[in-house]
Amino acid sequence: ETGVTQSPTHLIKTRGQQVTLRCSSQSGHNTVSWYQQALGQGPQFIFQYYREEENGRGNFPPRFSGLQFPNYSSELNVNALELDDSALYLCASSPMGGTTNTGELFFGEGSRLTVL
Amino acid sequence: RKEVEQDPGPFNVPEGATVAFNCTYSNSASQSFFWYRQDCRKEPKLLMSVYSSGNEDGRFTAQLNRASQYISLLIRDSKLSDSATYLCVVNMDTGRRALTFGSGTRLQVQP
Repeated sequence: ETGVTQSPTHLIKTRGQQVTLRCSSQSGHNTVSWYQQALGQGPQFIFQYYREEENGRGNFPPRFSGLQFPNYSSELNVNALELDDSALYLCASSPMGGTTNTGELFFGEGSRLTVL
Repeated sequence: RKEVEQDPGPFNVPEGATVAFNCTYSNSASQSFFWYRQDCRKEPKLLMSVYSSGNEDGRFTAQLNRASQYISLLIRDSKLSDSATYLCVVNMDTGRRALTFGSGTRLQVQP
């Protein structure tokens, strides 16, 4: 069974640039969520994708956008980067079906973005 | 007010000690509760769910008080390997698995 994988692991951008982060979900999982974790903080929910559509969004501006592909992999795009976008971006997958919400999200190791 | 609040610590304890972390949440309609563990520069991983009746997993005991909107985690007989950040997590929306994380409590177990 393959876990959640993310790329790139580290990247450096300058203010105003755009970035695309990629995520492959765990085998058998059809739901992908993205979280932003600033230094010293807990992860903050950005949005979730299910069946290639956005299925909920946190308190992030429209310059944060995403995609999910038929194979359930996903991308997070951030336009017009700001210094405060520097953070660890975590992708998490989960199975959407079932009646029990175990609350278990399977996280990738994250993409660490530095904006200069 | 933050939706999920935790004491950031750090908690520095000797091996073998018992340590307790607390957490409060703001949304009384929250449905499910968890503790996640995050090692330095690694991803968060589920430690345990938290049930109203309280639950135990080895050295770890979790409690939930819905009336006070309070969650706790007790670690007995601390090990060096327990050193990590413990994240209190709440699901405020049963329709999605959009979890709300606290900022975490850092634990350092010392020899």
